Amino acid sequence: NAGVTQTPKFQVLKTGQSMTLQCAQDMNHNSMYWYRQDPGMGLRLIYYSASEGTTDKGEVPNGYNVSRLNKREFSLRLESAAPSQTSVYFCASSAPSGRMNTEAFFGQGTRLTVV
Amino acid sequence: GDSVTQMEGPVTLSEEAFLTINCTYTATGYPSLFWYVQYPGEGLQLLLKATKADDKGSNKGFEATYRKETTSFHLEKGSVQVSDSAVYFCALSQGAQKLVFGQGTRLTINP
Repeated sequence: NAGVTQTPKFQVLKTGQSMTLQCAQDMNHNSMYWYRQDPGMGLRLIYYSASEGTTDKGEVPNGYNVSRLNKREFSLRLESAAPSQTSVYFCASSAPSGRMNTEAFFGQGTRLTVV
Repeated sequence: GDSVTQMEGPVTLSEEAFLTINCTYTATGYPSLFWYVQYPGEGLQLLLKATKADDKGSNKGFEATYRKETTSFHLEKGSVQVSDSAVYFCALSQGAQKLVFGQGTRLTINP
């Protein structure tokens, strides 16, 4: 089983460049999430999507946009990258249809460096 | 809003030592509680979970009990191994199923 797949695994951007991080899950989960992980900060929620067609801001949404393309895919876009967005980004999904409070499954992460 | 507080790390122990990593939470309602583990260079994996008060989650020798009276979910293991070296995250979820994480505790086990 593939689970949650993120691409790319590594990326270096120059300040001001744009890019899209891709995420897909094959577990028929309704909810999908984007987190960033910074040293000493744990994981902070950027955006989440409770179901296909809906998205909501998390704790740190500024500088990011998201698209829930369909039930499987949830992309994160940086329109104009800044050095403060250097981080490791994780996509996650949770909850089969009809179930609540189940665990989330995580992708392997994207290590992004903005220079 | 909901929040999770973990004991600060890093934590360094010798092999076969007893481990406790403290976790307390603040939440309205009745959240589910989780411990996730992150090995170097990898994503997070679920270690164990508990969905209601007094439930005990367990996996790979690790245990944690959902204590509503003290709003805690401390992680314990009786005898750690070098392979347990990782970063451990406590988390909760409820409502719209958003996971809220603690800041993580880095654990290093020396042989």
